[in-house]
Amino acid sequence: QSALTQPRSVSGSPGQSVTISCTGTSSDVGGYNFVSWYQQHPGKAPKVMIYDVSKRPSGVPDRFSGSKSGNTASLTISGLQAEDEADYYCCSYAGSYKVFGGGTKLTVL
Amino acid sequence: QVQLQESGPGLVEPSGTLSLTCAVSGVSITSDYWWSWVRQPPGKGLEWIGEMYHTGSSSYNPSLKSRVTISVDKSRNQFYLILNSVTAADTAVYFCARGGSSSWHVVFDVWGQGTVVTVSS
Repeated sequence: QSALTQPRSVSGSPGQSVTISCTGTSSDVGGYNFVSWYQQHPGKAPKVMIYDVSKRPSGVPDRFSGSKSGNTASLTISGLQAEDEADYYCCSYAGSYKVFGGGTKLTVL
Repeated sequence: QVQLQESGPGLVEPSGTLSLTCAVSGVSITSDYWWSWVRQPPGKGLEWIGEMYHTGSSSYNPSLKSRVTISVDKSRNQFYLILNSVTAADTAVYFCARGGSSSWHVVFDVWGQGTVVTVSS
């Protein structure tokens, strides 16, 4: 039950788009359409940004979008804003349990 | 609105038992949700610990399964985490969270603020 693989860090300038990947296996990400993404600011609880691969909870800006291809899920943030700077985590169903990614630090330059 | 609040000892001795409570308000714990625990060691990522449904159904992280028990008290609208035989590696911020309506639905939409637990003598 290894953690899903995410890049340690990504960066982008305001207004640009960035994509964060989340790679698993056919036993988790690739096997189910149950992947969610969480944003976490320092010292705060995580906040769900995407669930069921590509669904956005109410209140989450449409600048955030999710997708999946094979064993890799992706979170894309378009029109980067300063407040998007945070840690991002993916999470997937793994057939009887859930597993998080290692996390990605997004820096807005 | 729905709120979750963790509570429990902030310091646990090595080889001891970690016990935490999550008080749920704004929704009945017997509603159609799974109730989860997630932890985050200092400077590290999130780790899913396990979850329970009010009927008693549960699932746990395989790496922690032998040491973890999650239970629910419907009368108090609370759920609990017990982690046995703790070591320094169990030092973390522990969060409780509301999950989806089915065990495979991965959506933690309400979180507690988190409580710091340190394992040390």
